[in-house]
Amino acid sequence: ILNVEQSPQSLHVQEGDSTNFTCSFPSSNFYALHWYRWETAKSPEALFVMTLNGDEKKKGRISATLNTKEGYSYLYIKGSQPEDSATYLCALNTGNQFYFGTGTSLTVIP
Amino acid sequence: KAGVTQTPRYLIKTRGQQVTLSCSPISGHRSVSWYQQTPGQGLQFLFEYFSETQRNKGNFPGRFSGRQFSNSRSEMNVSTLELGDSALYLCASSRGDQETQYFGPGTRLLVL
Repeated sequence: ILNVEQSPQSLHVQEGDSTNFTCSFPSSNFYALHWYRWETAKSPEALFVMTLNGDEKKKGRISATLNTKEGYSYLYIKGSQPEDSATYLCALNTGNQFYFGTGTSLTVIP
Repeated sequence: KAGVTQTPRYLIKTRGQQVTLSCSPISGHRSVSWYQQTPGQGLQFLFEYFSETQRNKGNFPGRFSGRQFSNSRSEMNVSTLELGDSALYLCASSRGDQETQYFGPGTRLLVL
C-alpha cells in the first residue's frame, strides 16, 4: 500500500490571504499526480493532472507545481475567497490505480 | 454532457444483508473506478473496470465485488454487510488509461 501524505490536515485563512499546501508521494511509483477540490455535499472536482517533473499548472487563482524526483507537489491559492473553502485532495496515479491522500481542509474566513 | 450518476444516493441496511450500488459513467467513458470513504480515511480504492473487465483491485475482502456492462454502467455488490461497511461509496469514470476521473455524487450506506 502506497502512502500519499497531505499537509497540513486543515487550514484557516482570512479572505485575501494566499496559501499553499503539500502533497508527498513515493517518487518511484509515479505516473501522474491529480489534484481535486471537494466541497461539502458535492462530488470531487478535478483541478489538475500533472505528469512531468517541473510541471506548473494554473487555473484562475489556483496553481500547482510538481517535483517527481523528490516526490512532492504544491497547490497554491492566491487571494483566497470564501468560495475556495473545500477539501483539496491529491492522488498519485501509478498507472494501475489511484492512491489518495486524506486531504487538506481549507476554510476561508470572510 | 450528463455527469456521472449513482443510485441510490442513500441506503440503510442491517448486518448480514447484501447491497448493490449502481454507477452510470459519462457517455463515452469506458473506465469506472469505485472508492470507499470512511470518516478519517482518504478515499480507498476498491476496483476499476474497463470494457467489462476488472482491470485493477484494491485491498478489500471478497465480500466486495463488481461488474461492468456493455454500456459501461457498473454495479458494486457488498455481501454479508458489516457495521464497518458504513461509508460513502464513490464511483468515478474516465475515458481510460488513467486519465482524469470524474466523480459521481456518491452513495451513502449506513449499516445498522
